[in-house]
Amino acid sequence: GENVEQHPSTLSVQEGDSAVIKCTYSDSASNYFPWYKQELGKGPQLIIDIRSNVGEKKDQRIAVTLNKTAKHFSLHITETQPEDSAVYFCAAQGFQKLVFGTGTRLLVSP
Amino acid sequence: AAGVIQSPRHLIKEKRETATLKCYPIPRHDTVYWYQQGPGQDPQFLISFYEKMQSDKGSIPDRFSAQQFSDYHSELNMSSLELGDSALYFCASSFGGRATGELFFGEGSRLTVL
Repeated sequence: GENVEQHPSTLSVQEGDSAVIKCTYSDSASNYFPWYKQELGKGPQLIIDIRSNVGEKKDQRIAVTLNKTAKHFSLHITETQPEDSAVYFCAAQGFQKLVFGTGTRLLVSP
Repeated sequence: AAGVIQSPRHLIKEKRETATLKCYPIPRHDTVYWYQQGPGQDPQFLISFYEKMQSDKGSIPDRFSAQQFSDYHSELNMSSLELGDSALYFCASSFGGRATGELFFGEGSRLTVL
């Protein structure tokens, strides 16, 4: 089955800096790669996603890149703000269930 | 816009008791997924339903069962509760079954087993 690895597990940045979170997946059949933001005590919130026929997608300060050959994808957050502080999960889905990475706790300091 | 509704939001049970969690998907969504998230852990897939039929099964214990009803809401039934069942249980919904992506999650039900 699918296995998703995520790094780093924690990431501390200063407000205004960029943050990058990386994930690798194992199943070449996976074709959908969402990113979720989870705040304390709340459910995961979809923030951006990318499908395997696209190499990059951007939405304001957030961008995601996908390298199908290497089976890795990354989340890029620019001009970070304190409200970006949360746990971020990558995930991968093919014909089966959505499998999550282990999460990255992002802390943005003012 | 309407989101995924889960109830109850908090539940406290004793060991060996039973619990039922409910999930109401986003209107017109026909697929429901259940995930379990322990403290500091990533969500672990339990089970999913598409058009009222079980579509996939993950690490759901035999003590747990679930179903999806004609109105597409789903219930997760947990029996013989153990301390290790204490977790956040999330329901997510999507349209069109597996491999279509765009899962939307509810706010979760926090189960505490004493």
